Amino acid sequence: EDQVTQSPEALRLQEGESSSLNCSYTVSGLRGLFWYRQDPGKGPEFLFTLYSAGEEKEKERLKATLTKKESFLHITAPKPEDSATYLCAVDFNDYKLSFGAGTTVTVRA
Amino acid sequence: DGGITQSPKYLFRKEGQNVTLSCEQNLNHDAMYWYRQDPGQGLRLIYYSQIVNDFQKGDIAEGYSVSREKKESFPLTVTSAQKNPTAFYLCASSAPGQGLRGELFFGEGSRLTVL
Repeated sequence: EDQVTQSPEALRLQEGESSSLNCSYTVSGLRGLFWYRQDPGKGPEFLFTLYSAGEEKEKERLKATLTKKESFLHITAPKPEDSATYLCAVDFNDYKLSFGAGTTVTVRA
Repeated sequence: DGGITQSPKYLFRKEGQNVTLSCEQNLNHDAMYWYRQDPGQGLRLIYYSQIVNDFQKGDIAEGYSVSREKKESFPLTVTSAQKNPTAFYLCASSAPGQGLRGELFFGEGSRLTVL
């Protein structure tokens, strides 16, 4: 069964302390990998789409990368406003997206 | 502003009652979806609709029903047959040609609590 696993479950950072989130998936014909940001009590907001190994996308302090079996979301010099849950979703050549459980990031000033 | 509007934001239900969650979009998107989110779990697909008057079951459709009479609207009914309905419900849509595989636009969610 195709699965998406995100780690760590929670990440507490000091402002300016860079770190990375991981999204790993079982290989079964990846068609695309998506990153979303979700604030508490809100709906997810689309961040990036990655389609092939080696691809990278950047937006402000966030950078997403993709290998054949995992994706990383790098947060460079985070600010408190980067605190959120980050969701990874994978299109496994099926009719739907498979979502990971998310990584909750807390950035302290 | 274009977007997806879900209502109500909070809803309390007694056991045995049916409740309907509203989802309206003005993005002119063909495809719409309902997801359920529980703590510590990924989003799970309940139902999806790619065109008006047509919808398909997702992974956890038991105890739920939907309709798609208008392009803009995709209401979800949580029936008394749903054994554990307390959850955060998210409605989403995607642009033409994206289907279920593209960027999803989400509403703000509806939190249902069974008393």
